[in-house]
Amino acid sequence: GAVVSQHPSWVICKSGTSVKIECRSLDFQATTMFWYRQFPKQSLMLMATSNEGSKATYEQGVEKDKFLINHASLTLSTLTVTSAHPEDSSFYICSARDPGGRTEAFFGQGTRLTVV
Amino acid sequence: AQSVSQHNHHVILSEAASLELGCNYSYGGTVNLFWYVQYPGQHLQLLLKYFSGDPLVKGIKGFEAEFIKSKFSFNLRKPSVQWSDTAEYFCAVDGSSNTGKLIFGQGTTLQVKP
Repeated sequence: GAVVSQHPSWVICKSGTSVKIECRSLDFQATTMFWYRQFPKQSLMLMATSNEGSKATYEQGVEKDKFLINHASLTLSTLTVTSAHPEDSSFYICSARDPGGRTEAFFGQGTRLTVV
Repeated sequence: AQSVSQHNHHVILSEAASLELGCNYSYGGTVNLFWYVQYPGQHLQLLLKYFSGDPLVKGIKGFEAEFIKSKFSFNLRKPSVQWSDTAEYFCAVDGSSNTGKLIFGQGTTLQVKP
C-alpha cells in the first residue's frame, strides 16, 4: 500500500516553545492531507484538512493560530504546535489519500508530543 | 453533522470465540465505510472498506463487515478470534465525496485471552 511517513515519532518540548511535525507521502502525491489528534484511550479527532497551495481548513473548536498547517508541496504537510502547553500533549496523526486510484486513506505512524 | 457510534467500548473474549463489533453512523448521503485496527504501539491499518456493491465485505485476517443501509450500520465480525487480534478497532465514515476525510467512532478495545 501507499506509505505516509511522519517525523518525528516522538518529541518532548518545554512549555512555550513550538514544535513542527512533518507528514510526507512517500510514493504518491497528495493535494489533501488530514491531521488528527488522539488522546489516550480515545478516538481520533479530525483537526484540520491540509490543502496544497492554499489555506488549511480547520474543524470547529481547533485554534488555527495554535496549530499552524502548511502544505507547501504535493508530498509534504507540516503541523506546527505554537507556544505549546502541557494540555497540547497528545498523539498527532496525519493521513492522505492517493487520488490516483487507491480508495482508502493511509495513515502515518503518528507523533507523540509531550510538553513539559 | 456526521457522527459515528461504536457501541462496545471494551470487549473481552477468549480465543476461538466469535466477535461482532457494532458501528452506526449518522449521515444522509452516500458514504464510504471503513474499519481500521490499531495494534499496541503501531499505526492505524485498514481492515476492510465498503464503497459500493456487495454489502458483505471481506477484509484481512478473517474479518468481514456487513453494510445495512436501512440501519445505518456497518458491523465488524470475525468467526473465531485469536490472541493476536488484541487491539483497538475503529469504525470510520467518509461522507465528503471520497476525499479521505474520515470521521471516527470512539473505538473498541478488544482483549483476547489465550
